Amino acid sequence: DTEVTQTPKHLVMGMTNKKSLKCEQHMGHRAMYWYKQKAKKPPELMFVYSYEKLSINESVPSRFSPECPNSSLLNLHLHALQPEDSALYLCASSQDTVNYGYTFGSGTRLTVV
Amino acid sequence: AQSVAQPEDQVNVAEGNPLTVKCTYSVSGNPYLFWYVQYPNRGLQFLLKYITGDNLVKGSYGFEAEFNKSQTSFHLKKPSALVSDSALYFCAVRDNQSAGNNRKLIWGLGTSLAVNP
Repeated sequence: DTEVTQTPKHLVMGMTNKKSLKCEQHMGHRAMYWYKQKAKKPPELMFVYSYEKLSINESVPSRFSPECPNSSLLNLHLHALQPEDSALYLCASSQDTVNYGYTFGSGTRLTVV
Repeated sequence: AQSVAQPEDQVNVAEGNPLTVKCTYSVSGNPYLFWYVQYPNRGLQFLLKYITGDNLVKGSYGFEAEFNKSQTSFHLKKPSALVSDSALYFCAVRDNQSAGNNRKLIWGLGTSLAVNP
C-alpha cells in the first residue's frame, strides 16, 4: 500500500458545526502532516506529527485541532470554522521529517457556509 | 531569509517539445530540493529530490532536474512534453534553520504548465 487515504473527499459545514477530517497511511511512515491549500497557491503547513507526537504547530487557530491516535492515523477536528477556512486540506506522510519524499493524499475539499 | 522562487507563473509548450520549469533557491547550508506536481482537483505528487550526489536527478514520469550550485537553481526538465503533463508544479527546499523534528519545507509559488496538442 503506497497511498495516503483521506476522507471525506468533500465536506460542507456550517459555522457552528463540528466535523472531523481523517487521514490514513499504511506505509510505515512516522511523520504525518496537515496542509491547507487555496486554489493555485502552494500548500501551507498547519501541523506536523513525528512518531505520533505533535512537533510543529504553525500558529493554527484553535478551531483546528489535530489528533494522531496511532502511527497510521491522523485526524483534524474542526469546530466553529469561518468561511475563509474553506480550502483543500491535504494530509501527507513521509518516512521521517528528514526524508521529504512526501506522499500526499487527494485532499478534502472543505466549504464553510 | 530562506526562499524558493519560481520566476514563471505560466509555461506553455507544444506537445513533443522539451520543457523546462525554473526554480531558484536561497538557503543556508546544503540544499535539500524537491519537485512536486499537482494535477487538477488532486493532491500533490512527489516527482524527485536532490539531497546529494549527481547533479542530474531522474524522477517520475520521465522528468529530471539539474542541480546547479553556482546558480542556486534546480530546474525541472523533460525531453518531450505530453499533454497529460499539464499541471501545477511546485519546487520546495528544506528549511535548514530549523532542526530535527521541526524541519519543514519552504515552497515556491508554483508554475502552471500547459502543454498544447
